[in-house]
Amino acid sequence: AQSVTQLGSHVSVSEGALVLLRCNYSSSVPPYLFWYVQYPNQGLQLLLKYTSAATLVKGINGFEAEFKKSETSFHLTKPSAHMSDAAEYFCAVSKIQGAQKLVFGQGTRLTINP
Amino acid sequence: EAGVAQSPRYKIIEKRQSVAFWCNPISGHATLYWYQQILGQGPKLLIQFQNNGVVDDSQLPKDRFSAERLKGVDSTLKIQPAKLEDSAVYLCASSPIRGQGAHEQFFGPGTRLTVL
Repeated sequence: AQSVTQLGSHVSVSEGALVLLRCNYSSSVPPYLFWYVQYPNQGLQLLLKYTSAATLVKGINGFEAEFKKSETSFHLTKPSAHMSDAAEYFCAVSKIQGAQKLVFGQGTRLTINP
Repeated sequence: EAGVAQSPRYKIIEKRQSVAFWCNPISGHATLYWYQQILGQGPKLLIQFQNNGVVDDSQLPKDRFSAERLKGVDSTLKIQPAKLEDSAVYLCASSPIRGQGAHEQFFGPGTRLTVL
């Protein structure tokens, strides 16, 4: 079975500050890992994905995440927060064979203070 | 390239009524997913189709929920009868079977259901 834990349901940072959203996963098989962003009243948009290539993954809008197998973590970071980053962020895990369902964490709401 | 289309965007019904949601995936995507997202939670898979066959429906409440994907393209998700706890956003996603995007799911805007 696979599961995802996102530490902190709500994170608040100042504009220009570092963004760090934490994600830990559990998987009995090698996983693929994803970060999705959801803006109000919209569907989910893929930020980045780890598919067993480079452990440091760069995504859209200046976000990146590092896969650390020893820590079973896939934390999302951005060096400098922008007001437009305010949204809900979801970490997800899937198996690596073919088209597989995503198992999501409960989400972290990111608020940016001016 | 057109994205995943869903309708309606919003639906309000009373408990014990029935409701249906429609999804049109990205052209050529063989795999289609329906997720339920309850307020404050991450999405949870209800059912996964590959072409018109069911791959995974282990978390679909089959006594009230049903889904079909005739001809392997569009899909409908039905709830009959609805309960208060069915209030949620229903997200449809699609992905190709192979190729560079095989492990990426593309989501529609969702249908927000309120059961009174």
